[in-house]
Amino acid sequence: AIQVTQSPSSLSVSVGDRVIITCRASQDIRNDLAWYQQKPGKAPKLLIYAASTLQSGVPSRFSGSGSGTDFTLTITNLQPEDFATYYCLQDYTYPWTFGQGTKVEIK
Amino acid sequence: EVQLLESGGGLIQPGGSLRLSCTASGFTFNNYAMDWVRQAPGKGLEWVSAISTRGERTFYADSVRGRFTISRDNSRNTLYLQLNNLRPEDTAVYYCARDGLCDGNSCFDYWGQGTLVTVSS
Repeated sequence: AIQVTQSPSSLSVSVGDRVIITCRASQDIRNDLAWYQQKPGKAPKLLIYAASTLQSGVPSRFSGSGSGTDFTLTITNLQPEDFATYYCLQDYTYPWTFGQGTKVEIK
Repeated sequence: EVQLLESGGGLIQPGGSLRLSCTASGFTFNNYAMDWVRQAPGKGLEWVSAISTRGERTFYADSVRGRFTISRDNSRNTLYLQLNNLRPEDTAVYYCARDGLCDGNSCFDYWGQGTLVTVSS
Protein backbone atom coordinates (compact mmCIF):
# COMPACT_ATOMS: atom_id res chain seq x y z
CA ALA A 1 0.00 0.00 0.00
CA ILE A 2 1.09 3.56 -0.65
CA GLN A 3 2.22 5.32 2.50
CA VAL A 4 1.42 8.99 2.94
CA THR A 5 3.51 10.96 5.41
CA GLN A 6 1.98 14.22 6.56
CA SER A 7 3.79 16.93 8.47
CA PRO A 8 3.78 18.59 10.83
CA SER A 9 1.48 16.70 13.17
CA SER A 10 0.48 19.95 14.83
CA LEU A 11 1.25 23.64 14.78
CA SER A 12 0.33 26.67 16.80
CA VAL A 13 -0.41 29.77 14.81
CA SER A 14 -2.15 33.09 15.06
CA VAL A 15 -5.01 34.60 13.11
CA GLY A 16 -3.61 36.13 9.95
CA ASP A 17 -0.65 33.73 9.70
CA ARG A 18 0.20 31.56 6.74
CA VAL A 19 0.13 27.80 7.26
CA ILE A 20 1.88 25.22 5.13
CA ILE A 21 1.15 21.50 5.50
CA THR A 22 2.93 18.87 3.45
CA CYS A 23 2.20 15.31 2.39
CA ARG A 24 4.71 12.95 0.87
CA ALA A 25 3.66 9.76 -0.87
CA SER A 26 5.84 6.67 -0.91
CA GLN A 27 5.52 6.47 -4.70
CA ASP A 28 4.39 8.60 -7.62
CA ILE A 29 0.65 9.30 -7.33
CA ARG A 30 0.48 11.86 -10.16
CA ASN A 31 -1.93 14.52 -8.86
CA ASP A 32 -4.35 12.10 -7.17
CA LEU A 33 -4.42 13.77 -3.78
CA ALA A 34 -7.18 15.55 -1.88
CA TRP A 35 -7.25 17.66 1.25
CA TYR A 36 -9.92 17.57 3.95
CA GLN A 37 -10.65 19.72 6.98
CA GLN A 38 -12.21 18.26 10.10
CA LYS A 39 -13.52 20.05 13.16
CA PRO A 40 -14.16 18.26 16.47
CA GLY A 41 -17.23 16.07 16.43
CA LYS A 42 -17.91 16.75 12.76
CA ALA A 43 -17.47 14.87 9.51
CA PRO A 44 -14.55 15.91 7.30
CA LYS A 45 -15.07 18.54 4.63
CA LEU A 46 -13.52 18.47 1.17
CA LEU A 47 -11.22 21.41 0.49
CA ILE A 48 -9.12 20.51 -2.53
CA TYR A 49 -9.07 17.63 -5.02
CA ALA A 50 -6.67 16.65 -7.79
CA ALA A 51 -3.92 18.26 -5.71
CA SER A 52 -4.79 21.84 -6.60
CA THR A 53 -8.46 22.25 -7.53
CA LEU A 54 -10.47 24.17 -4.98
CA GLN A 55 -13.82 22.62 -4.15
CA SER A 56 -16.78 24.88 -4.82
CA GLY A 57 -17.54 27.16 -1.89
CA VAL A 58 -14.13 26.83 -0.26
CA PRO A 59 -12.44 30.19 0.40
CA SER A 60 -9.59 31.15 -1.90
CA ARG A 61 -7.18 31.48 1.04
CA PHE A 62 -6.86 27.69 0.73
CA SER A 63 -4.61 26.40 -2.03
CA GLY A 64 -2.94 23.16 -2.95
CA SER A 65 0.06 22.31 -5.04
CA GLY A 66 2.32 19.47 -5.99
CA SER A 67 2.44 16.33 -8.08
CA GLY A 68 4.25 13.04 -8.06
CA THR A 69 5.23 12.45 -4.45
CA ASP A 70 5.25 15.88 -2.78
CA PHE A 71 2.20 17.98 -2.04
CA THR A 72 1.40 21.11 -0.09
CA LEU A 73 -1.69 22.69 1.42
CA THR A 74 -1.31 26.40 2.07
CA ILE A 75 -3.68 28.54 4.09
CA THR A 76 -3.00 32.24 3.82
CA ASN A 77 -4.39 34.83 6.24
CA LEU A 78 -5.65 32.17 8.66
CA GLN A 79 -9.11 32.88 9.99
CA PRO A 80 -10.62 31.79 13.34
CA GLU A 81 -12.81 29.22 11.61
CA ASP A 82 -9.72 27.54 10.10
CA PHE A 83 -8.54 26.09 13.39
CA ALA A 84 -9.12 22.41 12.74
CA THR A 85 -7.35 19.21 11.74
CA TYR A 86 -6.34 18.73 8.13
CA TYR A 87 -5.83 15.45 6.28
CA CYS A 88 -4.52 14.53 2.87
CA LEU A 89 -5.79 11.45 1.04
CA GLN A 90 -4.17 9.67 -1.88
CA ASP A 91 -6.78 8.32 -4.27
CA TYR A 92 -4.35 7.10 -6.93
CA THR A 93 -4.67 3.43 -6.16
CA TYR A 94 -6.48 1.17 -3.71
CA PRO A 95 -6.18 0.90 -0.81
CA TRP A 96 -6.54 4.63 -0.52
CA THR A 97 -4.58 6.10 2.37
CA PHE A 98 -4.86 9.20 4.53
CA GLY A 99 -2.04 11.16 5.99
CA GLN A 100 -1.77 11.19 9.76
CA GLY A 101 -3.37 14.61 10.10
CA THR A 102 -2.21 18.08 11.10
CA LYS A 103 -3.90 19.88 13.97
CA VAL A 104 -3.84 23.64 13.57
CA GLU A 105 -4.18 25.25 16.98
CA ILE A 106 -4.40 28.80 18.25
CA LYS A 107 -1.13 30.15 19.59
CA GLU B 1 -30.27 18.44 -0.59
CA VAL B 2 -27.80 15.58 -0.47
CA GLN B 3 -28.02 13.61 2.75
CA LEU B 4 -26.26 10.50 4.00
CA LEU B 5 -27.53 8.92 7.19
CA GLU B 6 -25.63 6.08 8.84
CA SER B 7 -27.14 3.65 11.32
CA GLY B 8 -26.41 0.31 12.92
CA GLY B 9 -23.57 1.18 15.25
CA GLY B 10 -23.44 0.07 18.86
CA LEU B 11 -21.59 -1.93 21.49
CA ILE B 12 -20.49 -5.38 20.38
CA GLN B 13 -18.25 -8.02 21.91
CA PRO B 14 -14.98 -9.06 20.29
CA GLY B 15 -15.62 -11.66 17.63
CA GLY B 16 -19.12 -10.40 17.03
CA SER B 17 -20.78 -9.04 13.91
CA LEU B 18 -22.62 -5.87 13.00
CA ARG B 19 -24.12 -4.41 9.85
CA LEU B 20 -23.93 -0.71 9.20
CA SER B 21 -26.28 1.05 6.82
CA CYS B 22 -26.04 4.39 5.04
CA THR B 23 -29.25 5.70 3.54
CA ALA B 24 -28.82 8.27 0.79
CA SER B 25 -31.19 10.94 -0.43
CA GLY B 26 -31.14 14.04 -2.58
CA PHE B 27 -29.17 12.56 -5.47
CA THR B 28 -29.22 9.66 -7.92
CA PHE B 29 -27.58 7.06 -5.74
CA ASN B 30 -26.72 4.58 -8.48
CA ASN B 31 -24.63 7.18 -10.31
CA TYR B 32 -21.99 7.34 -7.58
CA ALA B 33 -19.37 5.11 -6.07
CA MET B 34 -19.53 5.05 -2.29
CA ASP B 35 -17.00 4.56 0.48
CA TRP B 36 -16.64 3.93 4.19
CA VAL B 37 -14.09 5.83 6.27
CA ARG B 38 -13.54 5.33 9.99
CA GLN B 39 -11.96 7.22 12.84
CA ALA B 40 -10.90 5.63 16.10
CA PRO B 41 -11.41 7.80 19.21
CA GLY B 42 -8.85 10.58 19.23
CA LYS B 43 -7.15 9.24 16.10
CA GLY B 44 -6.95 10.11 12.42
CA LEU B 45 -9.05 9.10 9.48
CA GLU B 46 -8.72 5.64 7.95
CA TRP B 47 -10.16 4.71 4.57
CA VAL B 48 -11.96 1.37 4.93
CA SER B 49 -13.75 0.30 1.76
CA ALA B 50 -15.21 1.38 -1.57
CA ILE B 51 -17.84 0.05 -3.96
CA SER B 52 -18.55 0.92 -7.57
CA THR B 53 -21.86 2.26 -8.82
CA ARG B 54 -23.44 -1.13 -9.51
CA GLY B 55 -21.54 -3.00 -6.83
CA GLU B 56 -19.48 -5.11 -9.20
CA ARG B 57 -16.17 -3.84 -7.86
CA THR B 58 -15.22 -3.61 -4.20
CA PHE B 59 -12.03 -2.55 -2.46
CA TYR B 60 -10.80 -2.87 1.11
CA ALA B 61 -8.11 -1.66 3.46
CA ASP B 62 -5.66 -4.37 4.44
CA SER B 63 -6.79 -4.05 8.06
CA VAL B 64 -10.36 -5.18 7.26
CA ARG B 65 -10.04 -7.36 4.16
CA GLY B 66 -11.60 -10.76 4.78
CA ARG B 67 -13.63 -9.52 7.76
CA PHE B 68 -15.68 -6.63 6.35
CA THR B 69 -17.96 -6.71 3.31
CA ILE B 70 -19.26 -3.65 1.50
CA SER B 71 -22.45 -3.85 -0.54
CA ARG B 72 -25.22 -1.65 -1.85
CA ASP B 73 -28.88 -1.86 -2.76
CA ASN B 74 -29.54 0.76 -5.41
CA SER B 75 -33.29 0.10 -5.27
CA ARG B 76 -33.23 1.20 -1.63
CA ASN B 77 -30.57 3.93 -2.02
CA THR B 78 -28.63 2.22 0.73
CA LEU B 79 -24.99 1.37 1.29
CA TYR B 80 -23.98 -1.35 3.72
CA LEU B 81 -20.91 -2.49 5.60
CA GLN B 82 -20.99 -5.94 7.17
CA LEU B 83 -18.48 -6.16 10.00
CA ASN B 84 -17.51 -9.67 11.09
CA ASN B 85 -15.00 -11.03 13.59
CA LEU B 86 -14.76 -7.63 15.21
CA ARG B 87 -11.70 -6.63 17.20
CA PRO B 88 -11.22 -3.92 19.82
CA GLU B 89 -9.14 -1.97 17.30
CA ASP B 90 -12.22 -1.72 15.06
CA THR B 91 -13.73 0.66 17.60
CA ALA B 92 -14.38 3.87 15.68
CA VAL B 93 -16.88 6.25 14.22
CA TYR B 94 -17.76 4.93 10.78
CA TYR B 95 -18.61 7.47 8.09
CA CYS B 96 -20.10 6.82 4.70
CA ALA B 97 -18.99 9.18 1.96
CA ARG B 98 -20.01 9.83 -1.61
CA ASP B 99 -17.31 9.75 -4.27
CA GLY B 100 -18.37 12.81 -6.17
CA LEU B 101 -16.02 12.37 -9.13
CA CYS B 102 -15.00 16.02 -9.15
CA ASP B 103 -14.06 16.85 -12.73
CA GLY B 104 -13.35 13.16 -13.24
CA ASN B 105 -11.23 12.93 -10.08
CA SER B 106 -12.23 11.10 -6.95
CA CYS B 107 -13.41 13.25 -4.08
CA PHE B 108 -15.55 12.72 -1.01
CA ASP B 109 -17.89 15.62 -1.52
CA TYR B 110 -20.57 14.51 0.94
CA TRP B 111 -20.27 12.67 4.23
CA GLY B 112 -22.70 11.24 6.72
CA GLN B 113 -22.64 12.20 10.39
CA GLY B 114 -21.08 8.89 11.40
CA THR B 115 -22.12 5.94 13.54
CA LEU B 116 -20.07 4.73 16.51
CA VAL B 117 -19.01 1.11 16.76
CA THR B 118 -17.55 0.04 20.09
CA VAL B 119 -15.95 -3.39 20.36
CA SER B 120 -15.51 -4.36 23.96
CA SER B 121 -16.27 -7.15 26.37
